[in-house]
Amino acid sequence: QKEVEQNSGPLSVPEGAIASLNCTYSDRGSQSFFWYRQYSGKSPELIMFIYSNGDKEDGRFTAQLNKASQYVSLLIRDSQPSDSATYLCAVNERGGFQKLVFGTGTRLLVSP
Amino acid sequence: ETGVTQTPRHLVMGMTNKKSLKCEQHLGHNAMYWYKQSAKKPLELMFVYNFKEQTENNSVPSRFSPECPNSSHLFLHLHTLQPEDSALYLCASRIGGDTDTQYFGPGTRLTVL
Repeated sequence: QKEVEQNSGPLSVPEGAIASLNCTYSDRGSQSFFWYRQYSGKSPELIMFIYSNGDKEDGRFTAQLNKASQYVSLLIRDSQPSDSATYLCAVNERGGFQKLVFGTGTRLLVSP
Repeated sequence: ETGVTQTPRHLVMGMTNKKSLKCEQHLGHNAMYWYKQSAKKPLELMFVYNFKEQTENNSVPSRFSPECPNSSHLFLHLHTLQPEDSALYLCASRIGGDTDTQYFGPGTRLTVL
């Protein structure tokens, strides 16, 4: 059973702080990893993807991947109240490009 | 993501009704997906189409019937649904090949009475 695990939260951080969202996955052969943001009542919106071990930065967002530990994280610097949403981690299935396995998401609350 | 549109945005139906959900993508993508999102559960993959051909049916009950007439359009035909089928139904598309990034439509909020 391929699984993607996330803490459901809520994770509460003050405005301007760094929010750290974590995700673990069970399939060691997974090749690519995605973070989606989903506002309440809306559809998931792609934030970042990462394929290689290490860090990948895009503006205030940094994705970190450690394949040996089967761990992927998303850091949000200078958190804003508008970042308050549910963040979904998704992992592709081994050997294919077409199927993503999603976690249940972590709810982030950024307080002014 | 205005590249993937879904209609209707909200749907209320009785258990004996027949209705259809529509998805259209304007991104030139070759793969399209139906997902179900229920409260407190991960996104559940339902169906996958590549170049109009169904390549995945994730053990979905037959009361859900997909149709993909071309690479830009995807339908989900609904009949004899149950209240537990109430959920947000999301369509997604992917360019295809070895690119696995998926882009989602706004979803249809379905309520079965």
